[in-house]
Amino acid sequence: DARVTQTPRHKVTEMGQEVTMRCQPILGHNTVFWYRQTMMQGLELLAYFRNRAPLDDSGMPKDRFSAEMPDATLATLKIQPSEPRDSAVYFCASGLYARSYEQYFGPGTRLTVT
Amino acid sequence: ELKVEQNPLFLSMQEGKNYTIYCNYSTTSDRLYWYRQDPGKSLESLFVLLSNGAVKQEGRLMASLDTKARLSTLHITAAVHDLSATYFCAVEEYKLSFGAGTTVTVRA
Repeated sequence: DARVTQTPRHKVTEMGQEVTMRCQPILGHNTVFWYRQTMMQGLELLAYFRNRAPLDDSGMPKDRFSAEMPDATLATLKIQPSEPRDSAVYFCASGLYARSYEQYFGPGTRLTVT
Repeated sequence: ELKVEQNPLFLSMQEGKNYTIYCNYSTTSDRLYWYRQDPGKSLESLFVLLSNGAVKQEGRLMASLDTKARLSTLHITAAVHDLSATYFCAVEEYKLSFGAGTTVTVRA
């Protein structure tokens, strides 16, 4: 049963610390998305990659967030320095861009910044 | 900018009755997706609608797409408690844009 995996599932950190979240997309999928979900803003697209190349990161605060795909099996989202307003659930999703943009979501990383 | 509006945002359903969730969008896209999210969980794909007039059904849920009206509906037949969740529609235009979600609670 192919699934998107994310680590860690929960992270509590202090303001100013660096946070790195990892995602393993479904094998064979060529598109990876990072979303952030909060009660106030709902589901926001932060960035996405196709064939490991960044296509859109306009949803990401550039001064503190960065997203990379070091290889086809790993995507990372880094926050440095973290702030309390970054507290949210971060989802990774992957898809095979062929006929549709159907996406398969990972379990999420619940981040709390104190 | 693409806008995706769902209504209602909150829906209290009585078991056994029928309800509809509406998803309006502002683009000419003919590709629309419905997802379900249980509290504290991830999003699960329900339906993929890829053309005007597309209709998909799974159990008590049926989704349809009218691209001319820029409207998709998610119809729930004879609601049961297991359907309590938040339902999102998402429209494709180079990427997916999600609606705010409809939180459904089914009561006895």
